[in-house]
Amino acid sequence: NAGVTQTPKFQVLKTGQSMTLQCAQDMNHEYMSWYRQDPGMGLRLIHYSVGAGITDQGEVPNGYNVSRSTTEDFPLRLLSAAPSQTSVYFCASSPITGGAETQYFGPGTRLLVL
Amino acid sequence: SQKIEQNSEALNIQEGKTATLTCNYTNYSPAYLQWYRQDPGRGPVFLLLIRENEKEKRKERLKVTFDTTLKQSLFHITASQPADSATYLCALAPGGGDMRFGAGTRLTVKP
Repeated sequence: NAGVTQTPKFQVLKTGQSMTLQCAQDMNHEYMSWYRQDPGMGLRLIHYSVGAGITDQGEVPNGYNVSRSTTEDFPLRLLSAAPSQTSVYFCASSPITGGAETQYFGPGTRLLVL
Repeated sequence: SQKIEQNSEALNIQEGKTATLTCNYTNYSPAYLQWYRQDPGRGPVFLLLIRENEKEKRKERLKVTFDTTLKQSLFHITASQPADSATYLCALAPGGGDMRFGAGTRLTVKP
């Protein structure tokens, strides 16, 4: 199993550009989520999904869109990048929601918005 | 407002000692509490999970306690080693909802 994979590893964007961060898992997990991690602030939940076709907002959803058309994939879209979105982004998956099971994290995508 | 506070940004201890990390929370009623390890440039890795009706959980040199009255979890690493140096994150989940993380404590174990 590859676990949770994320691409790209690193990206530089200009303000106003759009891009999609890719996330895939091969563990057949129903629950997937996106976090951003900033110094001193820990991981903050952006969006999550409890299954294909179902998504919901987390703590900091503004400026981001998600969709879940398959169990395996959960892409995160930045519609119009802003410098405040400079961060490290982690995708995670779990067999179920609610914290009763381990979350498996990807290696992260480091994003710099100029 | 809801808060998750981990006792300090950084903790330095000598090899062989016990490291104790604290996670305090306010305005949460977590059904589950988890601890993760994060190395620089990598994603968090799950260590332990404890449920609200459990007082203590152990795994090898790791021990977690969960006091829902004090709203606090303690994470212990006994006989610490330099390889234990990392950032440790606590995470709370209400059960059926999303998970929230603390900012983490960076542990350095000196030889």
